[in-house]
Amino acid sequence: EVQLVESGGGLVQPGGSLRLSCAASGFTFSNYWMTWVRQAPGKGLEWVAIIKQDGSQIYSVDSVKGRFTISRDNAKNSLYLQLSSLRAEDTAVYYCARVAVWELRDFDFWGQGTLVTVSS
Amino acid sequence: DIVMTQSPLSLPVTPGEPASISCRSSQRILHSNGNNYLNWYLQKPGQSPQLLIYLGSNRASGVPDRFSGSGSGTDFTLKISGVEAEDVGVYYCMQVLEIPFTFGPGTKVDIK
Repeated sequence: EVQLVESGGGLVQPGGSLRLSCAASGFTFSNYWMTWVRQAPGKGLEWVAIIKQDGSQIYSVDSVKGRFTISRDNAKNSLYLQLSSLRAEDTAVYYCARVAVWELRDFDFWGQGTLVTVSS
Repeated sequence: DIVMTQSPLSLPVTPGEPASISCRSSQRILHSNGNNYLNWYLQKPGQSPQLLIYLGSNRASGVPDRFSGSGSGTDFTLKISGVEAEDVGVYYCMQVLEIPFTFGPGTKVDIK
């Protein structure tokens, strides 16, 4: 059974940092692109970043460039999102998701999400 | 960035009746390979999003055949042939042709 379990969320002050993790199981993690999507409280979905199987290609939305870094450790079946210089508007539930087939860009499995709250 | 819009934003439905959601992109999301890079997701209350449709019209694994996607270029539609109570939630379209991938604002479907 495919499982994605996010962790690392919490309350952080503006300007602070946090590292989110996504533990994958039930599939060969190293075969898949992986992505992060976030959702501010009561709002819609926003795509954040994506990483290729071997980490050689990374893309992200402009609003997080220079502040957020997506990475992965295939040996640990884990995806990460390093958040820094956090702002109030980064407050959201962060979901990791698997990209089933890169050519289709379909996010077929999602984790349950981890909440990041940026507040003083 | 490609801007996605949806209508309506709220859709009260009667169980058993059909429902339709429109999604429009600010640019064509038809790739030269002939595929429309448009996916549909449903986020049920309190749950993570789930994939319904990919490449505009292909149902994801396990998705009931009452769901169908159509359209091309900039105009797309998600149809539910007969809404069931379990279909309530927020439906999002998402373009995946260009980085950054972008979602529509969502259409909230609930039971009348």
